[in-house]
Amino acid sequence: GEDVEQSLFLSVREGDSSVINCTYTDSSSTYLYWYKQEPGAGLQLLTYIFSNMDMKQDQRLTVLLNKKDKHLSLRIADTQTGDSAIYFCAEGVTTGNQFYFGTGTSLTVIP
Amino acid sequence: DTGVSQDPRHKITKRGQNVTFRCDPISEHNRLYWYRQTLGQGPEFLTYFQNEAQLEKSRLLSDRFSAERPKGSFSTLEIQRTEQGDSAMYLCATGGARLNSPLHFGNGTRLTVT
Repeated sequence: GEDVEQSLFLSVREGDSSVINCTYTDSSSTYLYWYKQEPGAGLQLLTYIFSNMDMKQDQRLTVLLNKKDKHLSLRIADTQTGDSAIYFCAEGVTTGNQFYFGTGTSLTVIP
Repeated sequence: DTGVSQDPRHKITKRGQNVTFRCDPISEHNRLYWYRQTLGQGPEFLTYFQNEAQLEKSRLLSDRFSAERPKGSFSTLEIQRTEQGDSAMYLCATGGARLNSPLHFGNGTRLTVT
C-alpha cells in the first residue's frame, strides 16, 4: 500500500490548539481525510479536503494541504478533553478507488 | 440510526473454528470495504465491493478469508480455520458512488482467537 505517515503521540493542554501532521506519497490523491477514533469504536469522519484546495475550515477544525510537499495537517482550536482520541489521516486515490490510512496520532488533552 | 451497522460487536472463538461477520451499509451506498485493524495501527485494506461485485482483494489476504455481498446490500466476511494472528478489529466502511467520496465506518467486530 501507499505510505501515509503520522507522528504517534501528541499531548496538549485544554484550551490550547492541537496540530496533527501527516505526510503521504501518492500524487494521484483525489481527497484527503481526517478521521477520529475513540476506544472500542470505529472511525468517525471529521473532515476532508479536495486535493486541489489548500485550506478548509470547519468550526474548530482547520485543514491545511501542501500538495507540493504532500503534507496535510489538522488544527483543532480550543482543544477539549473530549478531543482525546486517535486521529487518522487517509488519502483517497483514483487507482481502484482505494483509501490508505496512516498509523494514527494519539492525542491526549491534559485538563 | 442509518449508519453502518456491524454484527457481532465482539466474537471470541477457539483456534480452528470458522467465524462470520456481517455488515449492513448505509442504504444508498454502493461501495463497501472491509478493513482489519490491530492495536496501534491504522486500518489495513482487505477487500472492496461495488454493488455486488468484489472488485479488489488485498494480496495479503489469506485464502481462509472470503467475503460476499450477494445482493449489493449487506456483506459478510468469513474466516475459516481461525488462527491467533487473526485476532483484530474488523471494520466495515461504505461510501457513495462518487469517486473517493468519504467512507463511513461501522463500530467494528472485535475478534479474539484463543
